[in-house]
Amino acid sequence: DAKTTQPPSMDCAEGRAANLPCNHSTISGNEYVYWYRQIHSQGPQYIIHGLKNNETNEMASLIITEDRKSSTLILPHATLRDTAVYYCIVRPEDFISNFGNEKLTFGTGTRLTIIP
Amino acid sequence: DVKVTQSSRYLVKRTGEKVFLECVQDMDHENMFWYRQDPGLGLRLIYFSYDVKMKEKGDIPEGYSVSREKKERFSLILESASTNQTSMYLCASSWRSSSYGYTFGSGTRLTVV
Repeated sequence: DAKTTQPPSMDCAEGRAANLPCNHSTISGNEYVYWYRQIHSQGPQYIIHGLKNNETNEMASLIITEDRKSSTLILPHATLRDTAVYYCIVRPEDFISNFGNEKLTFGTGTRLTIIP
Repeated sequence: DVKVTQSSRYLVKRTGEKVFLECVQDMDHENMFWYRQDPGLGLRLIYFSYDVKMKEKGDIPEGYSVSREKKERFSLILESASTNQTSMYLCASSWRSSSYGYTFGSGTRLTVV
């Protein structure tokens, strides 16, 4: 099963772009990259996901390298409310046929602190 | 909006008690999950279910069981609560396909004394 590696913590100035890296060097061809965040005392919140191409939504952008071994989540204009723990996970396209071989693991994530 | 509702926000139980944590989702999702979250360990999967009456063990199933009698409800059961099961418990649901993310509940903070 693919594992992800993230830095334990990062700081970013308010109003600047926050770039959160994730390494998933053992990712398989049918696995998506997902990003979630967890604000203190709440359940994780879905942000964005992608397979090969870069993705953008109202919350963030996801840049996946061509070899798919790493990705970067970009929060273009960070605010204080973006302070949270950010999780990068991988998940197979067909969850059911892979569940015997795949563990869905969130890991410990990156604690992002937005500084005023 | 999709809602995943966990029955209790905070719960205090005694060692040896049987504990039920309830989770209900309102979006007809096939998959449901139970995680626990502890400082320094991240989220760890306890059990998941991809259909009614179906269940599969996650990474740390010992000491837990689950029940899914209806599609919208997934219950986590601690047969005999112990102090090392003091934790934040998070329920999530999702469509079967990976094209959609998980939706999490707000969590239940369980303390076993």
